[in-house]
Amino acid sequence: DQQVKQNSPSLSVQEGRISILNCDYTNSMFDYFLWYKKYPAEGPTFLISISSIKDKNEDGRFTVFLNKSAKHLSLHIVPSQPGDSAVYFCAASWGVGAGNMLTFGGGTRLMVKP
Amino acid sequence: DVKVTQSSRYLVKRTGEKVFLECVQDMDHENMFWYRQDPGLGLRLIYFSYDVKMKEKGDIPEGYSVSREKKERFSLILESASTNQTSMYLCASSLLGEGSNNEQFFGPGTRLTVL
Repeated sequence: DQQVKQNSPSLSVQEGRISILNCDYTNSMFDYFLWYKKYPAEGPTFLISISSIKDKNEDGRFTVFLNKSAKHLSLHIVPSQPGDSAVYFCAASWGVGAGNMLTFGGGTRLMVKP
Repeated sequence: DVKVTQSSRYLVKRTGEKVFLECVQDMDHENMFWYRQDPGLGLRLIYFSYDVKMKEKGDIPEGYSVSREKKERFSLILESASTNQTSMYLCASSLLGEGSNNEQFFGPGTRLTVL
């Protein structure tokens, strides 16, 4: 059973509007969450992360929100740009610094239309 | 900048062949990982290693083995390739211990096709 789920396989957004990508998890041991972005024929690259002691982390156009009670996190991209078109993976781990594994969701393909 | 390199971007092999995928990282990371990426399934962990000569099974180790003879190098071996192993293979590395946020750094991937 998947412990990290991204229920929307794809999302299409107009340039300049907000993109919201969602992620749900089931394992309450997870205490650190990361978002990765992947272009075709390239490896995933780290985008933004959040610790379970926070409910929001912001980096430029990217903001991640964490709702621990709902075991839900979301990535907001404002404003969306055509270069943001990629597959986005949510990942979860526990024990920051312990070198523990990341558990990935299935990914959401974001398409930003000019 | 962390650099993770993989020996091939594209590979085509025949069923039954032994396949070696090589990965090298230049940041002295303790941890190294092999994943496969398939549409809708995300990244699934095949094997990982915390140290030289050490290996641990991930979620889908069947049909694969690994080797870590040097800290910077982690090899994935398909003992007898099968068509269901056609996939994108991704190698990653990460720091262990203080200063690590569990972030993993990925190579560009190897697209393997087994005919």
